[in-house]
Amino acid sequence: AQSVTQPDIHITVSEGASLELRCNYSYGATPYLFWYVQSPGQGLQLLLKYFSGDTLVQGIKGFEAEFKRSQSSFNLRKPSVHWSDAAEYFCAVGPLRAGNMLTFGGGTRLMVKP
Amino acid sequence: DTAVSQTPKYLVTQMGNDKSIKCEQNLGHDTMYWYKQDSKKFLKIMFSYNNKELIINETVPNRFSPKSPDKAHLNLHINSLELGDSAVYFCASSQSNEQFFGPGTRLTVL
Repeated sequence: AQSVTQPDIHITVSEGASLELRCNYSYGATPYLFWYVQSPGQGLQLLLKYFSGDTLVQGIKGFEAEFKRSQSSFNLRKPSVHWSDAAEYFCAVGPLRAGNMLTFGGGTRLMVKP
Repeated sequence: DTAVSQTPKYLVTQMGNDKSIKCEQNLGHDTMYWYKQDSKKFLKIMFSYNNKELIINETVPNRFSPKSPDKAHLNLHINSLELGDSAVYFCASSQSNEQFFGPGTRLTVL
């Protein structure tokens, strides 16, 4: 069965500091990997996705993530955090077959200090 | 230009009532989903429909009945609401492996 673990429930960083949110997955084959962001009271917005190819993927809002097969990880990074990045971040894994469900991690709440 | 829309955005109701949440997507996608997000923000799939056919039902109680009148709509009807049904319900749609989410419906059962 597939599963996703986000080890950090809360993270607080200062504005302008770098950020890394961790995501580990368990999956029997090559997964499709996603990062979504949920701002307070809002729906989920896709930040970036990995299907194949270059293991470093660029997303929106200056985010990037790196797929490391050997570590079963897909960590999200941003070099300089803005106050507007404060939100809940979800890592998700999906199968290769279209139309199938996503399995989400428990989420990481990011707080940004001025 | 709303891609995936849900109504209502908020729903407050008494225990034992029956309620429905509607979802529509204008993306031309074949597959639609319902997810439940609990008070701890944990997101879990409930149902998946492909071209109006149910393909996933993740052990959701029979009180929850999805209905897909056409492939652009997937409505969720809930009978005999319980306190534990309080959550945010998200609709999503996909054509390939990327899913697009609606804004969510916050259901509060009193």
